[in-house]
Amino acid sequence: GQNIDQPTEMTATEGAIVQINCTYQTSGFNGLFWYQQHAGEAPTFLSYNVLDGLEEKGRFSSFLSRSKGYSYLLLKELQMKDSASYLCAVVDMDSNYQLIWGAGTKLIIKP
Amino acid sequence: KAGVTQTPRYLIKTRGQQVTLSCSPISGHRSVSWYQQTPGQGLQFLFEYFSETQRNKGNFPGRFSGRQFSNSRSEMNVSTLELGDSALYLCASGQGEENIGELFFGEGSRLTVL
Repeated sequence: GQNIDQPTEMTATEGAIVQINCTYQTSGFNGLFWYQQHAGEAPTFLSYNVLDGLEEKGRFSSFLSRSKGYSYLLLKELQMKDSASYLCAVVDMDSNYQLIWGAGTKLIIKP
Repeated sequence: KAGVTQTPRYLIKTRGQQVTLSCSPISGHRSVSWYQQTPGQGLQFLFEYFSETQRNKGNFPGRFSGRQFSNSRSEMNVSTLELGDSALYLCASGQGEENIGELFFGEGSRLTVL
């Protein structure tokens, strides 16, 4: 079957680093997305990984290990505006390339 | 270029009524997906259309339906509304056929069922 797990909520301090994990089980993995969603707003794209390794984009980095069914989103130099939900989604080519979404991780940044 | 446009942004209906929501994707995008989001929940997949064909369908009852037109605009319809249908309905457009590119989301249509 298909399953994606993320922590429900995390808290971090402004200026610090936080890692949000995502584990998945899917038969036809074909890439993993991370999206950010601020309260009351639409999700916006952060990253896409299809090969193993780390992709860095400014303060945000995303890591993928296909053999372990595992990804993480790393946020550095946290700012208050990073308070949002972070959604992990996997492309399943065995389901006609459907995106399978995790429930999201709510990140709370404290001063 | 213009983003994804969803209409209406807000609407209030009563139980038993039906509702139609509209989504205009980014120009040139052929894929449109619909999602339901309730407070504290992740995105629940409704259906996906590509070039006027329903490519995928989520686990929602038959009261939820959709279609895509030749200009890639899409509509979704919910008949016989229930209180539990109150949610934010998000539409996302994409370029490709295999979901390997970024999805662009609209601002959503917030439906309240009384």
